[in-house]
Amino acid sequence: DGGITQSPKYLFRKEGQNVTLSCEQNLNHDAMYWYRQDPGQGLRLIYYSQIVNDFQKGDIAEGYSVSREKKESFPLTVTSAQKNPTAFYLCASSNGRDSEAFFGQGTRLTVV
Amino acid sequence: DQQVKQNSPSLSVQEGRISILNCDYTNSMFDYFLWYKKYPAEGPTFLISISSIKDKNEDGRFTVFLNKSAKHLSLHIVPSQPGDSAVYFCAASSYGGSQGNLIFGKGTKLSVKP
Repeated sequence: DGGITQSPKYLFRKEGQNVTLSCEQNLNHDAMYWYRQDPGQGLRLIYYSQIVNDFQKGDIAEGYSVSREKKESFPLTVTSAQKNPTAFYLCASSNGRDSEAFFGQGTRLTVV
Repeated sequence: DQQVKQNSPSLSVQEGRISILNCDYTNSMFDYFLWYKKYPAEGPTFLISISSIKDKNEDGRFTVFLNKSAKHLSLHIVPSQPGDSAVYFCAASSYGGSQGNLIFGKGTKLSVKP
């Protein structure tokens, strides 16, 4: 079954700790994305990667870091520098410019 | 500055009637538009898309209309069903600098009442 998997579904962390969210896809897509959703807000782009070993900052990259060592995987690290990390994080992948993005089920991160 | 705007945060429609969700954009470089449906605590799922070379695309009960001169698109759902109740996001992408990344609106919450 092809798809995109995010884990964990819920994550709790103490303030000041770094945390890494996992995103794996077996759709053979070149492009992968991380979005953040806050209540009453649209999806905002954090980072994206069009190809392995390359990634670019999105609109709200501050306080986040990513890596793209494998085509299938695009983990997102929420660092202690992110001022308001509690949110719903969505990972997506796509097969090119004019194709829809497929989304994972999301990870809800709560920082206490 | 928001490049994709969904000015109605919510919409309530009776079952069987038409739902019309609207979206406006400001960036004339956008050339591909998509609608996504999202249930709470789940990832968005793709619904329908339209390229800027078209003004209409239809898929079953869902039709998207694009008015390039007005920088406006709309999603029509006919007939609306209770299972259509969800948040609908409009998204746009452009070739070139942003490499096809999707810019999303804030979403419109559709409630279809039986």
